[in-house]
Amino acid sequence: QQQVKQSPQSLIVQKGGISIINCAYENTAFDYFPWYQQFPGKGPALLIAIRPDVSEKKEGRFTISFNKSAKQFSLHIMDSQPGDSATYFCAASPSGNTPLVFGKGTRLSVIA
Amino acid sequence: DAGVIQSPRHEVTEMGQEVTLRCKPISGHNSLFWYRQTMMRGLELLIYFNNNVPIDDSGMPEDRFSAKMPNASFSTLKIQPSEPRDSAVYFCASSLGANSGNTIYFGEGSWLTVV
Repeated sequence: QQQVKQSPQSLIVQKGGISIINCAYENTAFDYFPWYQQFPGKGPALLIAIRPDVSEKKEGRFTISFNKSAKQFSLHIMDSQPGDSATYFCAASPSGNTPLVFGKGTRLSVIA
Repeated sequence: DAGVIQSPRHEVTEMGQEVTLRCKPISGHNSLFWYRQTMMRGLELLIYFNNNVPIDDSGMPEDRFSAKMPNASFSTLKIQPSEPRDSAVYFCASSLGANSGNTIYFGEGSWLTVV
């Protein structure tokens, strides 16, 4: 499977701080880049997604930044809250009938 | 609408036993995916179906694993014989097609422990 490389593996952030998770890919055919959020004991759920025709997408405290030339994209969580503590997965897929490829995940802990 | 429903939620079995995991996708979704999650390897796609037909099973680790989708509302993932290294969380997910941009909805997972 084509890979999406995600870092860091784990992250501890103070409440109110900014959480940043990074992903990199090689396949230039990828054209859809979602982030999934997973709480303990639950399945992953779509958080936010971006297409490569824009460099940034913001939804509330969550922002995806996309750098097409560097083949990198990142998730920024502003004003991080303890309720944001979860595992975050980046993913990517090419156009057409091909499923998502996921990164290995980042376990985020937001401490008060 | 109910989400993706998986059963059992937890299974503990002895090495060598057969394990069958079950999944009911969201009504109307025509793509179904089986993923395996481990600490070491993250989320791995095992197999996916479109309109009940297996499209890509290249992620299935070995012949001990098999998956079926006899109709649009039911799928199984079977491991026979099971081994301790199969211990993981197995997720079923569904979407309106596997096309880029279609949201994948995950079930809550089946937590398998093989002792």
